[in-house]
Amino acid sequence: GQQVMQIPQYQHVQEGEDFTTYCNSSTTLSNIQWYKQRPGGHPVFLIQLVKSGEVKKQKRLTFQFGEAKKNSSLHITATQTTDVGTYFCGGSRLTFGEGTQLTVNP
Amino acid sequence: DAGVIQSPRHEVTEMGQEVTLRCKPISGHNSLFWYRQTMMRGLELLIYFNNNVPIDDSGMPEDRFSAKMPNASFSTLKIQPSEPRDSAVYFCASSFDRGFQGEQFFGPGTRLTVL
Repeated sequence: GQQVMQIPQYQHVQEGEDFTTYCNSSTTLSNIQWYKQRPGGHPVFLIQLVKSGEVKKQKRLTFQFGEAKKNSSLHITATQTTDVGTYFCGGSRLTFGEGTQLTVNP
Repeated sequence: DAGVIQSPRHEVTEMGQEVTLRCKPISGHNSLFWYRQTMMRGLELLIYFNNNVPIDDSGMPEDRFSAKMPNASFSTLKIQPSEPRDSAVYFCASSFDRGFQGEQFFGPGTRLTVL
């Protein structure tokens, strides 16, 4: 069946550093979604990508969908303590990756 | 709108007991999802309903788990009998779109502890 893998599983950064998490699928995805879950909270939708090679930005966050629609990335520029949480990608077959847990040291 | 409502927020029970988790999706949403989250297995989809009909229940662990959606505004996830390995946070989510085509709105979750 379809698998969505995320790397890295954990990332610790100093405030102000950049952060990137990658999502890779074994099969072509019709779309991909990204969610953020704060510690003790629930997943909150960030964005959906649909088109091959699509790039979307939300302030300091940049999302990319690969040309082959099998991978995606989320890049955060100049992390802040408010970015702390776990970032999940979800594929078109209702499969979430295991998430990347981000901690930011002030 | 109040968002997705789940109850109870916390449940502690003993092995062998029946557990029922409840979810009220956002009004007007057509799809409802039940997820289980653990440290070991991450966020797993258990079952997905569209227009109150179960579409994909391949994630339901075993016969001890059952889910119903008697109407558009209510769903239950039942575990009978419960086991310690069922301890997890159970999330309900709803979406206006079918499947994974649109934003999912998650409820606050039910933290289940089976002793």
